[in-house]
Amino acid sequence: AAGVIQSPRHLIKEKRETATLKCYPIPRHDTVYWYQQGPGQDPQFLISFYEKMQSDKGSIPDRFSAQQFSDYHSELNMSSLELGDSALYFCASSSQTGLYEQYFGPGTRLTVT
Amino acid sequence: KQEVTQIPAALSVPEGENLVLNCSFTDSAIYNLQWFRQDPGKGLTSLLLIQSSQREQTSGRLNASLDKSSGRSTLYIAASQPGDSATYLCAAAGGSQGNLIFGKGTKLSVKP
Repeated sequence: AAGVIQSPRHLIKEKRETATLKCYPIPRHDTVYWYQQGPGQDPQFLISFYEKMQSDKGSIPDRFSAQQFSDYHSELNMSSLELGDSALYFCASSSQTGLYEQYFGPGTRLTVT
Repeated sequence: KQEVTQIPAALSVPEGENLVLNCSFTDSAIYNLQWFRQDPGKGLTSLLLIQSSQREQTSGRLNASLDKSSGRSTLYIAASQPGDSATYLCAAAGGSQGNLIFGKGTKLSVKP
């Protein structure tokens, strides 16, 4: 069965640079979520999209933005990167017919130096 | 604001034991509750989903229960195996699209 795809899997950036993370949800899933997991921490909800519209917003910094495109893939754009942004970034997808059970991608490990 | 707590933070058991992981949440207005497994540095694997109207769900050696009125869920693992060693995360779904609020997890170690 198809799973959530994230790219890149690993990313190294310097402070103040920008980064773009991509997420391809499971086909026919209508909702995409982004989570951030810092070292030794639990995942924190950042933002979600339903049918290409932003639906919920969590602890997403103003330096970050996200969008979902017509083909349902989503991108998380991160600017003015800080050392504290180093984390695993997960994308998840779900469907209303699937009772919103969330399926997670493998994550993108972002390291800011 | 929803808060999810998991007890214990870590658990070490010999192979073959049955064990229970506990999860509590402060806001009973949840859409559903999911249990995940996470191996070190890896992604999250969904184990069980319990809808808010359900009391329990079973999958193989795993059984999860939900008591919304008391704000509690438990994950029961029968006949534990060394391959069960991982961190187990409980997450309560809320918001308009069921965004998840996670507990800090229980790190399970099953000794051969």
